[in-house]
Amino acid sequence: GAVVSQHPSRVICKSGTSVKIECRSLDFQATTMFWYRQFPKQSLMLMATSNEGSKATYEQGVEKDKFLINHASLTLSTLTVTSAHPEDSSFYICSAGASGTDTQYFGPGTRLTVL
Amino acid sequence: GQQLNQSPQSMFIQEGEDVSMNCTSSSIFNTWLWYKQDPGEGPVLLIALYKAGELTSNGRLTAQFGITRKDSFLNISASIPSDVGIYFCAGQRTGTASKLTFGTGTRLQVTL
Repeated sequence: GAVVSQHPSRVICKSGTSVKIECRSLDFQATTMFWYRQFPKQSLMLMATSNEGSKATYEQGVEKDKFLINHASLTLSTLTVTSAHPEDSSFYICSAGASGTDTQYFGPGTRLTVL
Repeated sequence: GQQLNQSPQSMFIQEGEDVSMNCTSSSIFNTWLWYKQDPGEGPVLLIALYKAGELTSNGRLTAQFGITRKDSFLNISASIPSDVGIYFCAGQRTGTASKLTFGTGTRLQVTL
């Protein structure tokens, strides 16, 4: 149980385009989902906390207009990287918190490459 | 954002050896977690610690929650090739909407 999926697993796009990444909790309901970014050989850095039915909370230094987060249901959160540039190339990982617990379950990640 | 300090940053060991790594913080956490990340994948939870002083095992893995609540260590006994990967500690505080603060990571490479 407690499986989190991400789609797509890899995406390559041209500079200036927007990319949407989906995060789904497959067998549980997640009131809260988290989005992380991981650059090569670095740790995971929290970008934002996504709450179902309300606005996301962004960490300091993360542009909310560039990284749009929507958490429309208890099993789906989406991250849209708008007007992507090469410096946005990274590994994006989501996690989902099961309702009523502090436990987070991580997705397999999405590798974004912006040309 | 804040990161927890892990040491060593990387280590090469031989198969069968024991491994020890630790994680320190300048502030207190209520929960300590240890994750393993394989290349191109998301982190997988290995051990969770909920109480200061707690010592918990999961197979060949043993982790402890420091008494001061500002540190934790992870031991791997009798390492095998599939232990290769990056190990991250993470701290969590009660009342912060379950946010995790990750450590800088320890890269483990096991030679035959």
